[in-house]
Amino acid sequence: DSGVTQTPKHLITATGQRVTLRCSPRSGDLSVYWYQQSLDQGLQFLIQYYNGEERAKGNILERFSAQQFPDLHSELNLSSLELGDSALYFCASSVGASGGVDTQYFGPGTRLTVL
Amino acid sequence: AQKVTQAQTEISVVEKEDVTLDCVYETRDTTYYLFWYKQPPSGELVFLIRRNSFDEQNEISGRYSWNFQKSTSSFNFTITASQVVDSAVYFCALNSGGYQKVTFGIGTKLQVIP
Repeated sequence: DSGVTQTPKHLITATGQRVTLRCSPRSGDLSVYWYQQSLDQGLQFLIQYYNGEERAKGNILERFSAQQFPDLHSELNLSSLELGDSALYFCASSVGASGGVDTQYFGPGTRLTVL
Repeated sequence: AQKVTQAQTEISVVEKEDVTLDCVYETRDTTYYLFWYKQPPSGELVFLIRRNSFDEQNEISGRYSWNFQKSTSSFNFTITASQVVDSAVYFCALNSGGYQKVTFGIGTKLQVIP
């Protein structure tokens, strides 16, 4: 158990809908990262927040947004969902802001299925 | 730019055999960090090791060992006396240049047959 929690574990929804994925980092970690894992794209970095501020952006679609709250939990919002958004979404956390100096510990993931 | 290549997409071994998973990376930076993660069938990503570019010492942890060679830009992972529980997808990853993002390879699926 990495100490990173993600809810829900599974999510099934329809095209065009909007969903929110939630992540709680390990105690003491200030950074939260979001990744998408799909069969065709592999594991792709989406976005990072550090202590409430956006720190780095990866291959995140405009239909997706995220935020980190004062208690450091984070939410990833996915809207106007398409079939291709079906994937495993991981949250990771680390102590500091650097993606390399600090090891990222991953949550169990949320499996999103868009029908 | 940073890139990670895991040329072996799938490997099958018989239990108790040794197996090496290859990882080749590309970066122009002199300071970088390399990682290995394990993703068992249950789906979670488990951190195995982090190595920085200034530490070329090989590391051994139980049946796991890692061989870091800057000369060939490789960071290979060996499992000795493999067990069925080692069956998983293994990802090599790289962070360099002070960027926040970590770039993952496509993963190597290891199947250990009893």
